[in-house]
Amino acid sequence: DTAVSQTPKYLVTQMGNDKSIKCEQNLGHDTMYWYKQDSKKFLKIMFSYNNKELIINETVPNRFSPKSPDKAHLNLHINSLELGDSAVYFCASRRTSGGQDTQYFGPGTRLTVL
Amino acid sequence: AQTVTQSQPEMSVQEAETVTLSCTYDTSESNYYLFWYKQPPSRQMILVIRQEAYKQQNATENRFSVNFQKAAKSFSLKISDSQLGDTAMYFCAFMKHRGNTPLVFGKGTRLSVIA
Repeated sequence: DTAVSQTPKYLVTQMGNDKSIKCEQNLGHDTMYWYKQDSKKFLKIMFSYNNKELIINETVPNRFSPKSPDKAHLNLHINSLELGDSAVYFCASRRTSGGQDTQYFGPGTRLTVL
Repeated sequence: AQTVTQSQPEMSVQEAETVTLSCTYDTSESNYYLFWYKQPPSRQMILVIRQEAYKQQNATENRFSVNFQKAAKSFSLKISDSQLGDTAMYFCAFMKHRGNTPLVFGKGTRLSVIA
């Protein structure tokens, strides 16, 4: 069984379009994250949710809007896509209650904006 | 703010040899976690090894071990008996002990294992 899954794995779209990436975890974790990996492979946090509440929002343009319908899901919607949004987006999850420290990553979504 | 520095953008090693990847970090926290993640060409982020800062003993996972020097804020990864499947990007990462804090990553080291 896949622990952290993302759909789609690949996304190619035109500038100006709106797109969503979905993430689901079946680990029973209470905290979920979105990370962005740029073309130079640098990974940086975008958002963090704990029990469906936004905890961290790292200077991300407001064209990016995360939504957590329940603890197992964290989706990322991007409006008016720009060329600079091309990257790999990773979802991750972790159990913070009980002091668990390991984050488990999804397979990533490669977004290409043309 | 925490920073993580990996000073070796690329490294190579012969199969069956040993290689060490460097990582230094900067923090004012006294308790935290350190990780090494591996990212092969498949792009999946795979946890290699973790270290809790309050534990003095260096973590070991099979062929992977770390040299954790808390005073020097250094956390190097040693890979013994390198295998072709170890070819990947390796990321060092820091995480505060408290709260729902995210990982802070270094820029990565691309390791090539040569037959």
